Parts: sequence; C-alpha cells; structure tokens
Amino acid sequence: DTEVTQTPKHLVMGMTNKKSLKCEQHMGHRAMYWYKQKAKKPPELMFVYSYEKLSINESVPSRFSPECPNSSLLNLHLHALQPEDSALYLCASSQDLGQYSDYTFGSGTRLTVV
Amino acid sequence: KQEVTQIPAALSVPEGENLVLNCSFTDSAIYNLQWFRQDPGKGLTSLLLIQSSQREQTSGRLNASLDKSSGRSTLYIAASQPGDSATYLCAVHEAAGNKLTFGGGTRVLVKP
Repeated sequence: DTEVTQTPKHLVMGMTNKKSLKCEQHMGHRAMYWYKQKAKKPPELMFVYSYEKLSINESVPSRFSPECPNSSLLNLHLHALQPEDSALYLCASSQDLGQYSDYTFGSGTRLTVV
Repeated sequence: KQEVTQIPAALSVPEGENLVLNCSFTDSAIYNLQWFRQDPGKGLTSLLLIQSSQREQTSGRLNASLDKSSGRSTLYIAASQPGDSATYLCAVHEAAGNKLTFGGGTRVLVKP
C-alpha cells in the first residue's frame, strides 16, 4: 500500500460546527503533515508530526487542532471556522524527518465553510 | 527565509513539443528537491525526487536536473501529450526547519 487516504473528500460546515478530517497511511511512515492550499496557490505547511509527537506548528489558529492517535492516523479537528478557512486540506507522510525522505500526499479534503 | 520561484506561471504548447519548467530557490542548504503534479482540485502526485548530492533524475519521459550551487532545477517533459496538462509544483526540503517549501507552480496546457 503506497497511498495516503484522506476522508472525507468534500466537507461543508457551518461556522458553529465541529468536524474532523482524517488521514491514514500504511507505509510505515513515521512523519505526517497537514497542509492547507487555497485556490491557485501552493500548499502551505500547518503541522508536522514525528513519531506521533507534534514537531512543528506553523502558528496555526487554535480553531485547528491536530491529533495523531497512532503511527498510521492523523486527524485535524475543526471548530468555529471562518469562511476564509475554506480550502483544500492535504495530508502527507514521509518515512521520517530525515534528509532522504520523499513525501507522499493524499488527494485532499475540499472544505467549504458557510 | 527560503523562497521558491517557478517560471513561467503558465505554459501552453502543442502536442508533441518538449516542455521545460524552471524552479529556483534562494537558499542552497537543502536536503532534496521534489517535483509534483497536481490536477485541478486534486492532491499532489510525486514525479521525481532529486537528492542534494545528485545532478539529475529520470523517469520515462521526465527528466529533472538540479544545480544546488546556483539554486536551480529544471523539469523536462519530452514529447508532451494532452494528458500532461496539469499544474507542476517544485518543492525544496529545507535543511533549516526541516520542512518542504513549495514554488507557486507552473500551469501547463498541452493542446491536441
């Protein structure tokens, strides 16, 4: 299995809702990432987990809350989002944070906040 | 702060022509450089990974070169096909901060 699987593929939520995005990989990778991508822009790093511990938080607002319950799963919990948070959320994984690692990305969750 | 630039931002060519996509970066302290393809509204598909010690990588019709000292990489796609139409992103794996930084992408259209 050489894939990163993201669910759901599409999500519409209101500003008072609580929802979660899920990411799963079974490649034995120990580093996992969340990226946010606005239309016609490159992906921007949000969070990095290494060996299930948060390694990097790129000053992301607290309405985004990541969680790594085990080495194969990465969640992004969403609460009280704003319309400007609408974007494609991409999950990625790599073998580790080492210099020889390459990245595998999922197909993303298209989030719309109304 | 690392900055990654891709030129041109958009490219339109007739089928069969070779494609040349450019990527430049400001800080040569990188571990590697990766080229990705992204179809509209979809995730990223990895095309080629070049380690900092390598000069080029090849896969089928794709060839990517890396000149770390001058901060440049070029992706060549031979004999383009309409199915090659997509956005191509380069990303550098920075040694400082140990993270991936993307260029703005080149949007490619191959006309039949």
